[in-house]
Amino acid sequence: AQSVAQPEDQVNVAEGNPLTVKCTYSVSGNPYLFWYVQYPNRGLQFLLKYITGDNLVKGSYGFEAEFNKSQTSFHLKKPSALVSDSALYFCAAASGPGGFKTIFGAGTRLFVKA
Amino acid sequence: DGGITQSPKYLFRKEGQNVTLSCEQNLNHDAMYWYRQDPGQGLRLIYYSQIVNDFQKGDIAEGYSVSREKKESFPLTVTSAQKNPTAFYLCASMGPTPSTDTQYFGPGTRLTVL
Repeated sequence: AQSVAQPEDQVNVAEGNPLTVKCTYSVSGNPYLFWYVQYPNRGLQFLLKYITGDNLVKGSYGFEAEFNKSQTSFHLKKPSALVSDSALYFCAAASGPGGFKTIFGAGTRLFVKA
Repeated sequence: DGGITQSPKYLFRKEGQNVTLSCEQNLNHDAMYWYRQDPGQGLRLIYYSQIVNDFQKGDIAEGYSVSREKKESFPLTVTSAQKNPTAFYLCASMGPTPSTDTQYFGPGTRLTVL
């Protein structure tokens, strides 16, 4: 079965420190990969995506993600965390004919302490 | 939440009743999606539709039904056959090209079965 895994339920980091939120995928072919962020009781907001090309993808709010095909990983990173980055982060992979079907990971809650 | 509305925001239902959740988009998107979000399980795909008058089952379609009679509307009915319907439901839409488009999410409907 195809799946997206986020191995950490929660990540804690101090403000100003770098952060990493991990994601691995098990999807056939060359899936499109995404990161979304969710604030409390809200819908998801798009952060960034990988389609093809450069393995380092830059997105919104200073976030970036590193694609590693051999490790089937797509980790989210930010050089310097802000308290306002505290939220729930989802990794996703689009698969199936045309890439319309999207599989989401379980989410990782990020806490940034001042 | 750009251009996607979901109503109502909160919905209460008695056991044994069907209930319909509304999703409307003015983004002129072809594809629309329904997800269910439960704590610790991320988003799970219920149904999706790539074009009007066509829709596909997702991973957890049992106990749900949808229709896509208009491009801008994709209502979800939670039937009495759904054994555990209490959850947060998210609707999303996307343009016709997954390689360049991303999903836009509505603000969600929280359904509680009493």
